[in-house]
Amino acid sequence: EVQLLESGGGLAQPGGSLRLSCAASGFTFSSYAMSWVRQAPGKGLEWVSAITGSGDSTYYADSVKGRFTISRDNSKNTLYLQMNSLRAEDTAVYYCAKRIAGAGLDCWGQGTLVTVSS
Amino acid sequence: EIVLTQSPATLSLSPGERATLSCRASQSVSSYLAWYQQKPGQAPRLLIYDVFNRATGIPARFSGSGSGTDFTLTISSLEPEDFAVYYCQQRSNWPITFGQGTRLEIK
Repeated sequence: EVQLLESGGGLAQPGGSLRLSCAASGFTFSSYAMSWVRQAPGKGLEWVSAITGSGDSTYYADSVKGRFTISRDNSKNTLYLQMNSLRAEDTAVYYCAKRIAGAGLDCWGQGTLVTVSS
Repeated sequence: EIVLTQSPATLSLSPGERATLSCRASQSVSSYLAWYQQKPGQAPRLLIYDVFNRATGIPARFSGSGSGTDFTLTISSLEPEDFAVYYCQQRSNWPITFGQGTRLEIK
């Protein structure tokens, strides 16, 4: 069974940092691009970042570029999101998701809540 | 950035009725268009990818169509569990973008 399990969320102060992790199982992790998608309370979905299966290429939304870094450790089947210089508007549930060929994120984790507040 | 505009914002229908949800892109997304369903407190679930392909385990009452800039998700006969929020998403150009969602509610 394909599973994604996020961790690392919590309360951070404005300007602070957090590192999210996403542990993958049930599929060949290194063969799939992965994304982070967030959802602010009561709002819609916002794509944050993506990384290819090899980790060679990364992509970011303008809203997080220069502050967030996506990475992966294929030996540990784990995806990461390093979040620096956090702002109140980064408050959201953060999901990791696995990408199938073409358009489509076919497996999502349960999400981890990040709250940025003083 | 490609903007996806979903309509209507809210759709009120009864079980057994047909639902038609629209997603319009600000420029062509080719066939890189997906649809998701999200229920309260849950992660999104992929329904349709690449315009018309049903994801694994998705019932046949869900279908996708369209091309270029105009796309439709159709639910042929609504079941009680289908009342949720639906999002479209494109991967034609970076950044990946989502529509703002259509809330499908029970009439």
